[in-house]
Amino acid sequence: AQTVTQSQPEMSVQEAETVTLSCTYDTSESDYYLFWYKQPPSRQMILVIRQEAYKQQNATENRFSVNFQKAAKSFSLKISDSQLGDAAMYFCAYPLNNYQLIWGAGTKLIIKP
Amino acid sequence: NAGVTQTPKFRVLKTGQSMTLLCAQDMNHEYMYWYRQDPGMGLRLIHYSVGEGTTAKGEVPDGYNVSRLKKQNFLLGLESAAPSQTSVYFCASSYSLYNEQFFGPGTRLTVL
Repeated sequence: AQTVTQSQPEMSVQEAETVTLSCTYDTSESDYYLFWYKQPPSRQMILVIRQEAYKQQNATENRFSVNFQKAAKSFSLKISDSQLGDAAMYFCAYPLNNYQLIWGAGTKLIIKP
Repeated sequence: NAGVTQTPKFRVLKTGQSMTLLCAQDMNHEYMYWYRQDPGMGLRLIHYSVGEGTTAKGEVPDGYNVSRLKKQNFLLGLESAAPSQTSVYFCASSYSLYNEQFFGPGTRLTVL
């Protein structure tokens, strides 16, 4: 069965420091997309970053970047220069089939001022 | 451009009561989804739709029904609510599975 694992239920980081959230998955597909979503206390789910598996280059969106290791089926999210507004639950997800995403259980990120 | 809206935002039901959650999107998306989110768990897909008039079961469909009579609306129904259905429900829409899903603000449902 396909799975996605976020092994860190909670992480904390000092403001302005860098933190990496881990995500591993299991798929037999060779071409797929991977997603990181953020859910702040407001409960609104927001896309952080998307990675296309066939691309060698890691995706980057401002302070957010991924470390995509296709062979290891690992998709980590790196947040640089952490800000108080980054405090949220972070979920990784990838396609279970052509119609559904499978979601990790989430990592709660705490930012220490 | 409201994006994805959900009504209501909060609801308390008694066991056995029924209700309908409404999701509306104004982005002309084909794909729409209903998820539930429980503490300590990620999103679990209840039902989804890949176009007007089509619906399909997701991971946890039991006790729920859906309809998509209009492209912009996706309704989630609970015919006979049970305490196990206490959860936060999210609707989402997207152009395709491989594009960003846009989420509504969620509905907190409590079944007593």
